[in-house]
Amino acid sequence: KNQVEQSPQSLIILEGKNCTLQCNYTVSPFSNLRWYKQDTGRGPVSLTIMTFSENTKSNGRYTATLDADTKQSSLHITASQLSDSASYICVVGGRGGGNKLTFGTGTQLKVEL
Amino acid sequence: GAVVSQHPSRVICKSGTSVKIECRSLDFQATTMFWYRQFPKQSLMLMATSNEGSKATYEQGVEKDKFLINHASLTLSTLTVTSAHPEDSSFYICSASAGNQPQHFGDGTRLSIL
Repeated sequence: KNQVEQSPQSLIILEGKNCTLQCNYTVSPFSNLRWYKQDTGRGPVSLTIMTFSENTKSNGRYTATLDADTKQSSLHITASQLSDSASYICVVGGRGGGNKLTFGTGTQLKVEL
Repeated sequence: GAVVSQHPSRVICKSGTSVKIECRSLDFQATTMFWYRQFPKQSLMLMATSNEGSKATYEQGVEKDKFLINHASLTLSTLTVTSAHPEDSSFYICSASAGNQPQHFGDGTRLSIL
């Protein structure tokens, strides 16, 4: 069964600090891994997309890594801001099957003063 | 970037009412649109996949007659929740993609059934 697990479930950090979110997956065959940011009451917004051959991808203060051998990914947020408070969702796309995605349950991040 | 518009953003209605939610791809032709449901603090759950001009493919456990999906054009798909009841209250999100390109998500519709 295809699964995506994320940790921690929730996280509180002070503004300006860095943090790293983790994602483990068992989706096969693997096509790509995406990190999304979802603000409360809004749809998910794409942060990064990585294919099998990519180890790292950056988008501003967000840096995602991928280890396809161990089926693990991380999202590192640098110099956090209050606006980073949101749910961060790891999503894995499988090859074939009509572009279906397997979603993680997300990490709820809260950035405080 | 690609934009997907979802309307309305919020619906509050009485039990037994049918509610229609629209999903539009504004700057690209979406060959496939997806409908998701999300309960509080949970992940998005795929309800159905629709390809333009053909019948939607529903996930296991999703009632076809309850959640009617129409994908009449390459830029518009609609989800109609028929005879909605309080247990249908949820956050409904659509996404759209062109071919094998990544899905782009709408901003969701908060449905509350009284």
